[in-house]
Amino acid sequence: GAVVSQHPSWVICKSGTSVKIECRSLDFQATTMFWYRQFPKQSLMLMATSNEGSKATYEQGVEKDKFLINHASLTLSTLTVTSAHPEDSSFYICSATYRGTGELFFGEGSRLTVL
Amino acid sequence: DAKTTQPPSMDCAEGRAANLPCNHSTISGNEYVYWYRQIHSQGPQYIIHGLKNNETNEMASLIITEDRKSSTLILPHATLRDTAVYYCIVRVVSGGLTFGKGITLSVRP
Repeated sequence: GAVVSQHPSWVICKSGTSVKIECRSLDFQATTMFWYRQFPKQSLMLMATSNEGSKATYEQGVEKDKFLINHASLTLSTLTVTSAHPEDSSFYICSATYRGTGELFFGEGSRLTVL
Repeated sequence: DAKTTQPPSMDCAEGRAANLPCNHSTISGNEYVYWYRQIHSQGPQYIIHGLKNNETNEMASLIITEDRKSSTLILPHATLRDTAVYYCIVRVVSGGLTFGKGITLSVRP
């Protein structure tokens, strides 16, 4: 199947700093990318939907100024957690929609720990 | 997206078939049934999807009832590596995925 890659796979940062997570579709063009967050022993929660070249659509309760999403090309979307705090520690996962069939493929996830 | 209902957990013996049920009684005509699984600390992995016909691939089989209100994912010969959380999701092709709690499958030796 198609490959979606996330980087970094894990990151530790100090409280108050910003962290950027990249999501790349390696062998296909992704019209739409989705960002999820998963806390321990919970299911994935959709944070936002991003379409290439346009502003992201955020789910209710997700602060758009805190979680900045940029989808500048058909193969790259980035999530920046600004002024991170310990409660932002989580597993962040992206998925990308294959332009041809609409199938969804997931990245390996990025584990963020804020000290 | 329509809601799905899955039992919270089940187990099966290694080498036996694992049959994972899912109810989706409010599914719409243009919604597909998708199955993904998530092994601990990894991103979800696509397994199979279908609209109304039964489907089979190298990983699993998907059996959808005639009224499309329920389905069963079958792992024909479960291995220890199949231990994971399995998510049944209904979705239109262009839409995103809304994850429920899934079913935790434990494969025992």
